[in-house]
Amino acid sequence: GQNIDQPTEMTATEGAIVQINCTYQTSGFNGLFWYQQHAGEAPTFLSYNVLDGLEEKGRFSSFLSRSKGYSYLLLKELQMKDSASYLCAVLDSNYQLIWGAGTKLIIKP
Amino acid sequence: ETGVTQTPRHLVMGMTNKKSLKCEQHLGHNAMYWYKQSAKKPLELMFVYSLEERVENNSVPSRFSPECPNSSHLFLHLHTLQPEDSALYLCASSQDRWGTTMEKLFFGSGTQLSVL
Repeated sequence: GQNIDQPTEMTATEGAIVQINCTYQTSGFNGLFWYQQHAGEAPTFLSYNVLDGLEEKGRFSSFLSRSKGYSYLLLKELQMKDSASYLCAVLDSNYQLIWGAGTKLIIKP
Repeated sequence: ETGVTQTPRHLVMGMTNKKSLKCEQHLGHNAMYWYKQSAKKPLELMFVYSLEERVENNSVPSRFSPECPNSSHLFLHLHTLQPEDSALYLCASSQDRWGTTMEKLFFGSGTQLSVL
């Protein structure tokens, strides 16, 4: 079966750096997405990786290793507003989007 | 930039009620989706519409009935639901349905449904 694994919950301190990992086993691969979802709000697109390596976008970076079936989302200079759930999703060979259960990130002052 | 509006935000219904969820997108997108989000579970794709035609129905019980009257509007009609159907129902849209190019999704804020 197809599976996406990410930690259920993480805690970090304001101003620090946090890395949220995502591992996947899917039937083929056509890209990996990260979405951010604040409580009670819509998920919003953060990043898309289809090639190996690091993509940087401001305070957020996303890394992909296709050979290891692994990605991470790196958040720098954490702010209280970064408290949210972070969803990892993989587009498989049939262009089906397979979702992880999400990682709830709690930022403490 | 969500551009996807869902109503109502909250809905409480009994198992014998009939209700409808509404979604409207203002982005000129051609594909629309219904997802179910339960606590601590992955998003579950329910239905996909592309150019107003239903192209995917992921073994969803018949008590959920989608309707897409035009490319901007999507409805989910609910009847004789079960308590386990309580969840957040999210609508999303994308420029086109996933194919040879990456299509990011734009989500609405969802309808939090409670079935008593």
